[in-house]
Amino acid sequence: GEDVEQSLFLSVREGDSSVINCTYTDSSSTYLYWYKQEPGAGLQLLTYIFSNMDMKQDQRLTVLLNKKDKHLSLRIADTQTGDSAIYFCAESYTGGFKTIFGAGTRLFVKA
Amino acid sequence: DGGITQSPKYLFRKEGQNVTLSCEQNLNHDAMYWYRQDPGQGLRLIYYSQIVNDFQKGDIAEGYSVSREKKESFPLTVTSAQKNPTAFYLCASSMDPMNTEAFFGQGTRLTVV
Repeated sequence: GEDVEQSLFLSVREGDSSVINCTYTDSSSTYLYWYKQEPGAGLQLLTYIFSNMDMKQDQRLTVLLNKKDKHLSLRIADTQTGDSAIYFCAESYTGGFKTIFGAGTRLFVKA
Repeated sequence: DGGITQSPKYLFRKEGQNVTLSCEQNLNHDAMYWYRQDPGQGLRLIYYSQIVNDFQKGDIAEGYSVSREKKESFPLTVTSAQKNPTAFYLCASSMDPMNTEAFFGQGTRLTVV
């Protein structure tokens, strides 16, 4: 079946790197996503990676994909207080019409 | 500015009443979606629509209904049959049904009083 799992909380100090982890079960996943949700707001797509890629970097964000272990991670370099939010991992697959979301990881950034 | 707009932001409903949440997009997207978000849980799909005049049930459609009479509009009705309607509701759209990049509205928080 389809399932996406994430740890619920992460706390880091400002300036440190944050690493948010996610595991998924659907081996037919084609796209894997990271979304950010600020309090009381909708989700904002941060980045996505195709399943035939191992890594994607976009400014302070680095996404790593381990297909063998079905493990996805999001690294935020030089974490700022403005990065405090809930981060959702999600997957979708070719021919599918929905995206499966994890429960979200709440990132706390301490000044 | 192009975007997706949900209204109202906060909604209160008495038990036994139906209520309709609005979702409008001017992105010219074919696909639209409704999700429900509860604390500590991922988003769960209620209904989705790939094209005008067509919609499909998601994972938790019971107690909800939708319509897609216009490309830009996808209203969600929460009926009295929904046993636990208090939640944060998110509408999203994507250019195509593959949902490669979904754009989300700001959400509607529904509270049953």
